[in-house]
Amino acid sequence: KQEVTQIPAALSVPEGENLVLNCSFTDSAIYNLQWFRQDPGKGLTSLLLIQSSQREQTSGRLNASLDKSSGRSTLYIAASQPGDSATYLCAVGGFYNFNKFYFGSGTKLNVKP
Amino acid sequence: GAGVSQSPRYKVAKRGQDVALRCDPISGHVSLFWYQQALGQGPEFLTYFQNEAQLDKSGLPSDRFFAERPEGSVSTLKIQRTQQEDSAVYLCASSPMFFRQGENTEAFFGQGTRLTVV
Repeated sequence: KQEVTQIPAALSVPEGENLVLNCSFTDSAIYNLQWFRQDPGKGLTSLLLIQSSQREQTSGRLNASLDKSSGRSTLYIAASQPGDSATYLCAVGGFYNFNKFYFGSGTKLNVKP
Repeated sequence: GAGVSQSPRYKVAKRGQDVALRCDPISGHVSLFWYQQALGQGPEFLTYFQNEAQLDKSGLPSDRFFAERPEGSVSTLKIQRTQQEDSAVYLCASSPMFFRQGENTEAFFGQGTRLTVV
């Protein structure tokens, strides 16, 4: 079974810092990887989707990279803002179990003004 | 509607009570998923529908859990004889594409229903 791990579990940074969130997965046979943001009491907001054939995706201040062979993805947030405070989840779309996503437990980010 | 809508947003049930959770996917979306998210954990897959067909129910934790999507749009997740361990947020997601080998894409999630069993 695919296992997805996110490190760190929690992160607190001052406003303006650049930061990196990490996601690792045990089975490299993936179809895609998706980064989500979850605010308290809210659902999941999709941030970036990387197909297995891609190395990275960018959206505004966010950049996600994927190294399928080593089972790793990173989410880079540039110039963090207090509004970025949320829990960030990565989810792996399986190649064989293609109709389900495997989620990590998330990184809870707090950006202090 | 503009997004995936779930109701109710919050549900408190007494142990042993039956509950029904509703999901209205984005109009025209053929794929629909249910996930369960325990406190402090990531969501875990429960079941997948392609239109009205339930193609994968491997994540349903017990036979007390039942999901349906009779007309290929609205879906209901039913939990019979609720137990305290069923307390979680139940998330519904939909996608415009079929999820099959070689053809996979992102899913759009609703806000979830927080179920508390007391």
